Amino acid sequence: DAGVIQSPRHEVTEMGQEVTLRCKPISGHNSLFWYRQTMMRGLELLIYFNNNVPIDDSGMPEDRFSAKMPNASFSTLKIQPSEPRDSAVYFCASSQRLGLDTIYFGEGSWLTVV
Amino acid sequence: AQTVTQSQPEMSVQEAETVTLSCTYDTSESDYYLFWYKQPPSRQMILVIRQEAYKQQNATENRFSVNFQKAAKSFSLKISDSQLGDAAMYFCAYRSHGGSNYKLTFGKGTLLTVNP
Repeated sequence: DAGVIQSPRHEVTEMGQEVTLRCKPISGHNSLFWYRQTMMRGLELLIYFNNNVPIDDSGMPEDRFSAKMPNASFSTLKIQPSEPRDSAVYFCASSQRLGLDTIYFGEGSWLTVV
Repeated sequence: AQTVTQSQPEMSVQEAETVTLSCTYDTSESDYYLFWYKQPPSRQMILVIRQEAYKQQNATENRFSVNFQKAAKSFSLKISDSQLGDAAMYFCAYRSHGGSNYKLTFGKGTLLTVNP
């Protein structure tokens, strides 16, 4: 089975531009998570969905960040406008059952904002 | 809130030798999951091993095994017959079982170097 698929793998953008990160969870998984990894803060949970519904977005840093999950096989994380401090690796992850199963990670999207 | 502590920022091991990475955690819950994830230079987060807190038997996956001490809140990872491909950052992580807190809480990681 295919794992969690993220795109793009790498993106370099200028400050102020809109960035959209995409994720396809593992088929049959109904929970989806967005994490961010930086040197300073380590791995942080930004938001998670269960059955396409956002459950907890308290980790989203500010209004510039938004996430959607229009269907069971697709999610986006959008940053508008982007800032240099948003530079990080963004991971999408999924699990079969919320709270009860292993979380599997995608390969990450490495974002650099200049 | 749960916390996960990895007290060894860096470790090194000779190829074919055995190394143990330490992890302690703090929780008031009785049922939970513990994980070790590996992050090689490619940055992908790869699940290495998982332990359910209600299971007394230590989990094993080929050359990887854990020493789970529930009372001491300790969860160490042993890598036997270390290989060059084991070089990576290793993260210990905690997750509640059920309830309303579904996120993984990670330690800060241990960077493992494997010397040929």
